[in-house]
Amino acid sequence: EDKVVQSPLSLVVHEGDTVTLNCSYEVTNFRSLLWYKQEKKAPTFLFMLTSSGIEKKSGRLSSILDKKELFSILNITATQTGDSAVYLCAVDSFTGGGNKLTFGTGTQLKVEL
Amino acid sequence: DAGVIQSPRHEVTEMGQEVTLRCKPISGHNSLFWYRQTMMRGLELLIYFNNNVPIDDSGMPEDRFSAKMPNASFSTLKIQPSEPRDSAVYFCASSLSYNGNTGELFFGEGSRLTVL
Repeated sequence: EDKVVQSPLSLVVHEGDTVTLNCSYEVTNFRSLLWYKQEKKAPTFLFMLTSSGIEKKSGRLSSILDKKELFSILNITATQTGDSAVYLCAVDSFTGGGNKLTFGTGTQLKVEL
Repeated sequence: DAGVIQSPRHEVTEMGQEVTLRCKPISGHNSLFWYRQTMMRGLELLIYFNNNVPIDDSGMPEDRFSAKMPNASFSTLKIQPSEPRDSAVYFCASSLSYNGNTGELFFGEGSRLTVL
């Protein structure tokens, strides 16, 4: 059975801090790893990673994948209260007939003033 | 583009009643996923379709759950009979799968189900 494990489960930081969120996985036929941000409604896409060691960056957010050690990290620098959300990691794997995305349970991030 | 459209947004029903959730994926997308989200278990994949064909329904919790995709623009998730433990937010998501990759998944706003 495919597994995606995120840590920590929750985190409280102050504005300006840097945070690192972790995602480890065990899947067969790995295709890619994706990060999503979920505030009050539906998850929204952040990054898709397919290759090891290549950092993806968007503003204060960045992410990297290690396919040998089977994990990814999401970094957020200079955090702001608007970064408060649940961050979800998902792994895309190929099954017999198609692909599926398996999600971790998420990391709840709260950024305080 | 209207995005993935789900209905109803909220449903409150009594135990034993039938519940039908509906989803219209983004036009042109060839993969559709149904997820259930609870505080305890996070986002669980229930079933997914590729080109309207169900690929894997191993995540469907029981025979009370069924899903159909009669055409590329419509899918339903039905629970009959419903139970209080089915209370959750049900998300539908679609993507344009290519070269063996799911691609970016676009989520609907979710259907919040409460079974009393």
